[in-house]
Amino acid sequence: DAGVIQSPRHEVTEMGQEVTLRCKPISGHDYLFWYRQTMMRGLELLIYFNNNVPIDDSGMPEDRFSAKMPNASFSTLKIQPSEPRDSAVYFCASSSARLAGDYNEQFFGPGTRLTVL
Amino acid sequence: QKEVEQNSGPLSVPEGAIASLNCTYSDRVSQSFFWYRQYSGKSPELIMSIYSNGDKEDGRFTAQLNKASQYVSLLIRDSQPSDSATYLCAVAPFSGGYNKLIFGAGTRLAVHP
Repeated sequence: DAGVIQSPRHEVTEMGQEVTLRCKPISGHDYLFWYRQTMMRGLELLIYFNNNVPIDDSGMPEDRFSAKMPNASFSTLKIQPSEPRDSAVYFCASSSARLAGDYNEQFFGPGTRLTVL
Repeated sequence: QKEVEQNSGPLSVPEGAIASLNCTYSDRVSQSFFWYRQYSGKSPELIMSIYSNGDKEDGRFTAQLNKASQYVSLLIRDSQPSDSATYLCAVAPFSGGYNKLIFGAGTRLAVHP
């Protein structure tokens, strides 16, 4: 089975540009998570969805960040406008409470390395 | 106090030794605990999960949980150079409905031949 798929794998953009990151979760998983990882702050949860509905977006750093999940197999994380401090690796992860009981074992995608110049 | 704390390391152990990685957490009613391994430039990979007090063994890995002390550890027996990576402890806190994970900063493990 395919794991979590993310695109693009690398993105280099200039400050002020819009950036869209994409994620396809594992088929059958009903939870989807967006994380950001930097050396300084480690792995931070930005937002997560359950059955395509955003449940907790308290980790979204500011209004420049937005995330959507229009269907069970696709999610986007958008940054508009982007700033150099947004440079990080962005991971998408998915899980299924139905398959794992109450225990939320999350599986990560390969990540998108974003560089904002 | 951070919600999940780990010693950043690096923890250096010789090949064949036991590596012991530790993690403490602040949410007393957390229910599930995970260890992820992350190689440099790669994504986190789940290697162990534990939900009950005591030990759980899987191959060379043993996870230990003590909820009373709010402490979870990972032991790696017969350490190999291929085990050199950053190990992330993750906890599912009650505050998140047990659905989201809070990660520690990770402990970097270096196994030298």
